[in-house]
Amino acid sequence: KQEVTQIPAALSVPEGENLVLNCSFTDSAIYNLQWFRQDPGKGLTSLLLIQSSQREQTSGRLNASLDKSSGRSTLYIAASQPGDSATYLCAVTTDSWGKLQFGAGTQVVVTP
Amino acid sequence: DAGVTQSPTHLIKTRGQQVTLRCSPKSGHDTVSWYQQALGQGPQFIFQYYEEEERQRGNFPDRFSGHQFPNYSSELNVNALLLGDSALYLCASSLTGTASYEQYFGPGTRLTVT
Repeated sequence: KQEVTQIPAALSVPEGENLVLNCSFTDSAIYNLQWFRQDPGKGLTSLLLIQSSQREQTSGRLNASLDKSSGRSTLYIAASQPGDSATYLCAVTTDSWGKLQFGAGTQVVVTP
Repeated sequence: DAGVTQSPTHLIKTRGQQVTLRCSPKSGHDTVSWYQQALGQGPQFIFQYYEEEERQRGNFPDRFSGHQFPNYSSELNVNALLLGDSALYLCASSLTGTASYEQYFGPGTRLTVT
């Protein structure tokens, strides 16, 4: 059974520091991995999607890496801003119909 | 291009009642999945609809049922509500057969059971 873990559960950094968020999964047979952002009480905003054949994906200040063999992904956010404060969730696609298995998320606070 | 929409935004129900939540997928998508997200947890897969049929289901009781209409929109029904059903219900849409398997999420419906 696939399990997705995100550590730490919460993180607080001063503005300008780089953020490093970790995601691990137990079964390497994934189709892709997605990183989402969730603001309090809101839905999910997709940040990056990494296909199983890719090693990394970049968008602006965001960079995500994927190491399937070790079951790990890391999301890097450069030069953090208070507006980056949110919960970040990673999810793996476990079948060809797109079913997602989520981690519990990392709650990030960026202080001015 | 409209994204995934859900209604209502918020809902308050009493234990034992029934509730229906609605979802319209992103234009061009034919598959709808529903997820339940309890406070402080990641979303949990409820079920997925494709071609008006339930294609796969997560570990949820039969009190949770759904429907997909010919225009691909979907409903989630929950009967005999329990306090533990209080959660954010998220709908995701996708296009079956694409190589990316990317899911697009709606804003969610916050259900409170009292």
